[in-house]
Amino acid sequence: EVLLVESGGGLVQPGGSLRLSCAASGFTVGTNYMNWVRQAPGKGLEWVSVIYRGGSTYYAASVEGRFTVSRDISKNTLFLQMNRLRPEDTAVYYCARDLPASDWGQGTLVTVST
Amino acid sequence: SYVLTQPPSVSVAPGQTATITCGGNNIGSKSVHWYQQKPGQAPVLVISYDSDRPSGIPERFSGSNSGNTATLTISRVEAGDEADYYCQVWDSGTDHLFWLFGGGTKLTVL
Repeated sequence: EVLLVESGGGLVQPGGSLRLSCAASGFTVGTNYMNWVRQAPGKGLEWVSVIYRGGSTYYAASVEGRFTVSRDISKNTLFLQMNRLRPEDTAVYYCARDLPASDWGQGTLVTVST
Repeated sequence: SYVLTQPPSVSVAPGQTATITCGGNNIGSKSVHWYQQKPGQAPVLVISYDSDRPSGIPERFSGSNSGNTATLTISRVEAGDEADYYCQVWDSGTDHLFWLFGGGTKLTVL
């Protein structure tokens, strides 16, 4: 059974940093496309980032240069390093497997506020 | 940049057919995927590659894509189908590569 479990969310001040984790089981993160998708409160889905099987990474324009996606195959875990956070980054962050996304985690809430 | 347009809301009576559209310039040349999201839950893939139904998704869910409009059709709508629905495409160019979601459509079962 495929399982994705996000963690690392919380309250952070504008300009701060946070690192999200997505622990995977039932498959290997290194053999799948892995994505981060976010959803601001009461809003729609917004794609954030993808890491390809080969390691290539791509980002939405809204986070380019501030967020970095990575993975640790030995831990079977996906990461999202978020720097220079802004209030508009407040959202539930989901990790999702493959293209299209066949499996999703339950999400972790990031709140950027003073 | 490419834009996907969905109606904000669609209402349908139980047992009837719901049609949710996703408009985009020549979207028929792209592969469209559809997700269902119920309140407080993660999205679920209900249609992939225009019309493929993942395992476990009822046959009542179907999809099509042509010209400038992709369509998600839910036949014999049930109360449990009430949710937000999002279309999604993969967009790429010489200097960018990303997913794009439509704004979402709230399906209300009357």
